Amino acid sequence: EAQVTQNPRYLITVTGKKLTVTCSQNMNHEYMSWYRQDPGLGLRQIYYSMNVEVTDKGDVPEGYKVSRKEKRNFPLILESPSPNQTSLYFCASSWTGGTGELFFGEGSRLTVL
Amino acid sequence: AQKITQTQPGMFVQEKEAVTLDCTYDTSDPSYGLFWYKQPSSGEMIFLIYQGSYDQQNATEGRYSLNFQKARKSANLVISASQLGDSAMYFCAMREKGYQKVTFGTGTKLQVIP
Repeated sequence: EAQVTQNPRYLITVTGKKLTVTCSQNMNHEYMSWYRQDPGLGLRQIYYSMNVEVTDKGDVPEGYKVSRKEKRNFPLILESPSPNQTSLYFCASSWTGGTGELFFGEGSRLTVL
Repeated sequence: AQKITQTQPGMFVQEKEAVTLDCTYDTSDPSYGLFWYKQPSSGEMIFLIYQGSYDQQNATEGRYSLNFQKARKSANLVISASQLGDSAMYFCAMREKGYQKVTFGTGTKLQVIP
């Protein structure tokens, strides 16, 4: 089954404790990206990657890091989480050609105390 | 300026009626794609429909159609014959700059009334 898998789905952590949200896709997509969803703001792009070892900033990259060492994986790293990073996070992937429809993971709800 | 504007935070529609969700966009890129996604209360993001900037005809997918007016920079979603299961949040989105950048609107919460 074609899917994008995120882990963890739910996480409560404390300020400053480094965490990683993993994202893996099994569709051989070149493009992967991360978004955060906040009430009234919609989804905002954090980082994206056009292919292995190629990453770039989206609209809200501050406080986040990413890496793309393998085509299927695109982890999101919060080196020192702060309460303003409490949000619902989505990973998505797509082909770089065609319609560019995004395939989303189920989301990861993160709370930083 | 907002790249994607959805001016209707919430809407109600009677079951079996048609409803239009508004979306306007702003880009200087001649090549872009416009998308609509549905987010039910369970939280997942579901792709509904796509329109390319060079497409001459409006996209349709079952009960969904996209009213693309390029000169006005609008990409409204039309849902025909609304069903209770259509109650959800709907997001308009745009991909531009070689499809690298993705911008979402703030969403419209649609509630279908029996």
